Amino acid sequence: KQEVTQIPAALSVPEGENLVLNCSFTDSAIYNLQWFRQDPGKGLTSLLLIQSSQREQTSGRLNASLDKSSGRSTLYIAASQPGDSATYLCAVKYSGGSNYKLTFGKGTLLTVNP
Amino acid sequence: GAGVSQSPSNKVTEKGKDVELRCDPISGHTALYWYRQSLGQGLEFLIYFQGNSAPDKSGLPSDRFSAERTGGSVSTLTIQRTQQEDSAVYLCASSLNRGSETQYFGPGTRLLVL
Repeated sequence: KQEVTQIPAALSVPEGENLVLNCSFTDSAIYNLQWFRQDPGKGLTSLLLIQSSQREQTSGRLNASLDKSSGRSTLYIAASQPGDSATYLCAVKYSGGSNYKLTFGKGTLLTVNP
Repeated sequence: GAGVSQSPSNKVTEKGKDVELRCDPISGHTALYWYRQSLGQGLEFLIYFQGNSAPDKSGLPSDRFSAERTGGSVSTLTIQRTQQEDSAVYLCASSLNRGSETQYFGPGTRLLVL
């Protein structure tokens, strides 16, 4: 079964800290991996998308890495701010006939304290 | 431009009643997806539409669930004889086409079955 796991389930940090969110997946035959942000009562906002041939993507204070061989991705957030507080979701599109379907982890709830 | 919209934003119903959830995708997007986000379960794929056809209905949890799409645009997810375990947030997403990298998500419909 193709599963996506996110650790930790929740994380609380003081403002200004750098932090890392982890995502692991059971099948290395991925098409791409995407990190989303979800605010309470809102839909999903795409943060970064990494193709299977790429090792990392950067956007502002965010950096996502991908290691297919170990089945892992990390989302690095630099100089965290209270506005970064949200649930962060990792989602994988697997290769093959179902490469339109996103398989999600359960998310990491991040709280950045002022 | 307008994003994906969903209605209603919240729905409370009694066990055994039928409910209809609506999704308006981004104009011109041919692919449409429904996902369900249950407490403790994470986001799960329900169904995928390409145009008005649904080549993948594999995620629908039971025959009480059905969906249709008309005119290559609006989609309706119908749940018949609702059960308490159907309580969840139902998210809709659309993408330009099947091969498009990015799925754009709506804000979701929060369904509570009493």
